[in-house]
Amino acid sequence: GQNIDQPTEMTATEGAIVQINCTYQTSGFNGLFWYQQHAGEAPTFLSYNVLDGLEEKGRFSSFLSRSKGYSYLLLKELQMKDSASYLCAVRNQGGKLIFGQGTELSVKP
Amino acid sequence: GAVVSQHPSRVICKSGTSVKIECRSLDFQATTMFWYRQFPKQSLMLMATSNEGSKATYEQGVEKDKFLINHASLTLSTLTVTSAHPEDSSFYICSARVQGSYEQYFGPGTRLTVT
Repeated sequence: GQNIDQPTEMTATEGAIVQINCTYQTSGFNGLFWYQQHAGEAPTFLSYNVLDGLEEKGRFSSFLSRSKGYSYLLLKELQMKDSASYLCAVRNQGGKLIFGQGTELSVKP
Repeated sequence: GAVVSQHPSRVICKSGTSVKIECRSLDFQATTMFWYRQFPKQSLMLMATSNEGSKATYEQGVEKDKFLINHASLTLSTLTVTSAHPEDSSFYICSARVQGSYEQYFGPGTRLTVT
């Protein structure tokens, strides 16, 4: 089967760093995506990893270990506007995006 | 960047009627479009994949006769929810992909409420 696990909820403080983990088991692997989704809106693209290692883009970084079936999204210098749901998604062998349930991040002052 | 639009953004319909949702890629040609459904506090579930000029491929458990998908051109795909029921109330999101590209571009979503 195909399974993507991430924590349901996380809380962090403004200005801090938070790491959201994602583990996956899918039929084939053709890349891992992280999306941000605010309530009632469509997901917006944050990052893409297909090779092992860290990809950095401003305040956001994403890490992938294919051998461990593991990724994380790192958010630095948290801002209130970062409160949102963060979706981990894996593109499987068939080219389809399989989404995790999402992690609801609450940033508090 | 690539832009995908959806219309309408919100729709309320009566039980038993049909509703059509449009998904358009505005500044690129999308060889493949995807339709997702998202219930409150849940993640996106892929409903079907449509390729321009061919029949859509539906995911297991999705009724193809109830959710009609047409991908008539490289910039337009439509999803028609036929004989809608209250349990079809959901957030429907489309995405589009250019052949050979890894990225999918998501539309803003359509909130469907069936009364």
